Amino acid sequence: GEDVEQSLFLSVREGDSSVINCTYTDSSSTYLYWYKQEPGAGLQLLTYIFSNMDMKQDQRLTVLLNKKDKHLSLRIADTQTGDSAIYFCADQPLKAGSYQLTFGKGTKLSVIP
Amino acid sequence: DARVTQTPRHKVTEMGQEVTMRCQPILGHNTVFWYRQTMMQGLELLAYFRNRAPLDDSGMPKDRFSAEMPDATLATLKIQPSEPRDSAVYFCASGLFGNSPLHFGNGTRLTVT
Repeated sequence: GEDVEQSLFLSVREGDSSVINCTYTDSSSTYLYWYKQEPGAGLQLLTYIFSNMDMKQDQRLTVLLNKKDKHLSLRIADTQTGDSAIYFCADQPLKAGSYQLTFGKGTKLSVIP
Repeated sequence: DARVTQTPRHKVTEMGQEVTMRCQPILGHNTVFWYRQTMMQGLELLAYFRNRAPLDDSGMPKDRFSAEMPDATLATLKIQPSEPRDSAVYFCASGLFGNSPLHFGNGTRLTVT
């Protein structure tokens, strides 16, 4: 079945860049997503990339997709303490009638002031 | 901002009691998902509806869980009887079938004692 893997923890200093990595197994994935979860809250959609793209930039966020290696990364420039949260990678495989997302277990980002 | 609304936010109940969680999807969205989040398992898909019809509930324990959409503005997830192992955060998400991302509610934190 599909699998999405992420490292569980990342710690960076305020002002540095953070890079969160994700690998997925389903080569039919159409969209790949990054969600952010703050304590006690739901999942907030941060950004997403279509599988025919290799990069997407949105303000401080840069998403890189290596489809050959099935590797997705999220770079946060000038990381702030407010970026401390759990970041989930998710893929959306292309299957007839299917629309569901498969999530990784999340990467907890800790930002040191 | 349109958002997915879930009630209640928190529920504490005793083992054996019935629990009903409610979700109001974003107006116009035709797909609704129920996910369960635990520390051990991460985010698990429980059920998936499109145009109010259940398409996939294979992730749901059928003997005690049931999911319905009485109308396009309400989705319910019921557990009867509840057990301590059901303690988790239950998220509802909605989207427009095809190529739009899922939007999540803030979840219902369920504690079964």
